[in-house]
Amino acid sequence: QKEVEQNSGPLSVPEGAIASLNCTYSDRVSQSFFWYRQYSGKSPELIMSIYSNGDKEDGRFTAQLNKASQYVSLLIRDSQPSDSATYLCAVNSGRDDKIIFGKGTRLHILP
Amino acid sequence: GAVVSQHPSWVICKSGTSVKIECRSLDFQATTMFWYRQFPKQSLMLMATSNEGSKATYEQGVEKDKFLINHASLTLSTLTVTSAHPEDSSFYICSARGPPDAEAFFGQGTRLTVV
Repeated sequence: QKEVEQNSGPLSVPEGAIASLNCTYSDRVSQSFFWYRQYSGKSPELIMSIYSNGDKEDGRFTAQLNKASQYVSLLIRDSQPSDSATYLCAVNSGRDDKIIFGKGTRLHILP
Repeated sequence: GAVVSQHPSWVICKSGTSVKIECRSLDFQATTMFWYRQFPKQSLMLMATSNEGSKATYEQGVEKDKFLINHASLTLSTLTVTSAHPEDSSFYICSARGPPDAEAFFGQGTRLTVV
């Protein structure tokens, strides 16, 4: 079983709509969760961190965490073409020093 | 967010030579630094994890004698690609983290081309 799973996409969303990105993880002891955005040819940049069950909002972005279901999601409201990128879900391993990354979901916002 | 600076941004070297890449955390103390490699259109591949003052922990299949990692201070880690060959050409990215449960911040990446 893969440790962090994401749908690879591409996920196509019309401009102005809500983009919903999902992620599941396997290690129940994980306590911290992150979303990164990576543009082609660039390094990842942190969008959101979430540590507690529920929703966390930052501007157009909302991260949602459900530890019982081992599920993390990222909502992007009012999607813009500049949001087109690969979104990486990441989980701090509860067992060692590592941060485990999913393979990413490619998001394409249609103008 | 915190700033991680990686240099150089790109480097071209001759086959058989060595290349050193630096990763610095500019405004926080990085207890742990990570080194990744990424080939075009592929996902991040973790090469090694290093803690300040300790030997790096390498992922399976990564040659520790070829990819030398030094994390001598809380703000600096270096990756040296020794005896580089064309197949080592890739995008190398570092990230740095403070406390164990915190987020990691990435450097800009180094595009290495071995000719």
